[in-house]
Amino acid sequence: EVQVVESGGGLVQPGGSLRLSCTASGFTFSDHYIDWVRQAPGKGLEWVGRSRNKTKSYTTDYAASVKGRITLSRDDSKNSLYLHLNSLKSDDTAVYYCVRGAYSDYPSSYGYWGQGTLVTVSS
Amino acid sequence: QSVLTQPPSVSAAPGQKVTISCSGSSSNIANHYVSWYQQLPGAAPKLLIYADNKRPSGIPDRFSGSKSGTSATLGITGLQTGDEADYYCGSWDGSLNIVLFGGGTTLTVL
Repeated sequence: EVQVVESGGGLVQPGGSLRLSCTASGFTFSDHYIDWVRQAPGKGLEWVGRSRNKTKSYTTDYAASVKGRITLSRDDSKNSLYLHLNSLKSDDTAVYYCVRGAYSDYPSSYGYWGQGTLVTVSS
Repeated sequence: QSVLTQPPSVSAAPGQKVTISCSGSSSNIANHYVSWYQQLPGAAPKLLIYADNKRPSGIPDRFSGSKSGTSATLGITGLQTGDEADYYCGSWDGSLNIVLFGGGTTLTVL
């Protein structure tokens, strides 16, 4: 069974940094793109970033709202993807979801979602 | 402001049909696949439609997707009270190299 599980959320001060982890199971991690999607309280979905698979040399893309503040890194030996975000602002307060495409040929169709981890940026 | 435009809300009676539109541009919907998601209160989104009109296994055929040019549509027939949820469209944007989501549409089954 395919599963992705996020961890690392919590309360962070403005200007601080965070590291979220996404740990996967049930599939060959290096074969798949893994993305992050976030949802601010009471708001819609916002794509955050993408880590492509080994075939695509693990290249990344990021949303404009986090570009310059975000790094996605993978450890295939641990089936894990890490999201590093710094210079945190109140606008970064959201539930962060780790997501995977339903099928390899459709990486932007997210058939697998974690339960989400809440990040709250506040003093 | 979302680049994919959805109506904020739609409503219909149980048993009826409803459609939700998603409008984009040539850099996203017109040239890339559209997905649709259902988000029930307090839950993570669930994939309803991928590749414009395909249903993942387990999604009933009451849900359908279509696309024409820069717009896509989600159709739901035989509405049930359990369909009350927020619905989002999503598509890759080849110019921005990002995934775009619509702002979401709240479905009320009256």
